[in-house]
Amino acid sequence: ILNVEQSPQSLHVQEGDSTNFTCSFPSSNFYALHWYRWETAKSPEALFVMTLNGDEKKKGRISATLNTKEGYSYLYIKGSQPEDSATYLCAFDRGSTLGRLYFGRGTQLTVWP
Amino acid sequence: EADIYQTPRYLVIGTGKKITLECSQTMGHDKMYWYQQDPGMELHLIHYSYGVNSTEKGDLSSESTVSRIRTEHFPLTLESARPSHTSQYLCASSELGPGRFFGPGTRLTVL
Repeated sequence: ILNVEQSPQSLHVQEGDSTNFTCSFPSSNFYALHWYRWETAKSPEALFVMTLNGDEKKKGRISATLNTKEGYSYLYIKGSQPEDSATYLCAFDRGSTLGRLYFGRGTQLTVWP
Repeated sequence: EADIYQTPRYLVIGTGKKITLECSQTMGHDKMYWYQQDPGMELHLIHYSYGVNSTEKGDLSSESTVSRIRTEHFPLTLESARPSHTSQYLCASSELGPGRFFGPGTRLTVL
């Protein structure tokens, strides 16, 4: 089983604060890095699929960067809102024909009004 | 919009009972997956399927079994539930490309 690490494990911020999380993954056999947002009692929602070293993606106030050579990705949230409260998961993808993903434990974000 | 459904959403059951967790998708995806997540831990792949009549065990050993008789349906069965099976079970599907679609999960508690 591959090792995918996420930090911090949990984060509490005030509304309006900007925040970021880290995902570390193996730097070999890289195909893609997935970010998901998972609200309680809902389905995990895909945020980004990142494939190229140096890639930066943005969706509203959320953005992500990727460094495949050193094996890390950052997720940034600018001006956090209470509705951003969720668990943010990253998953490493080796590009197997099965499409298997290796998940980190997630960062649980709570945004206080 | 991707549609993948899981029932029941929550299940509390006694030891020794047989249970089936349902998963259905309406997207016609060939690949389907079951993940298990214990509290505070990662999602681990326990079963997958390439298509009808194709099922394989995943990375994490599981006493559950699965079947794939129809493309849209991928149920998971535990013949005799035990407290160690208490966990969250997520179903997912995918087609060509990196996208994955997840169901909302079933939270199982075995007393």
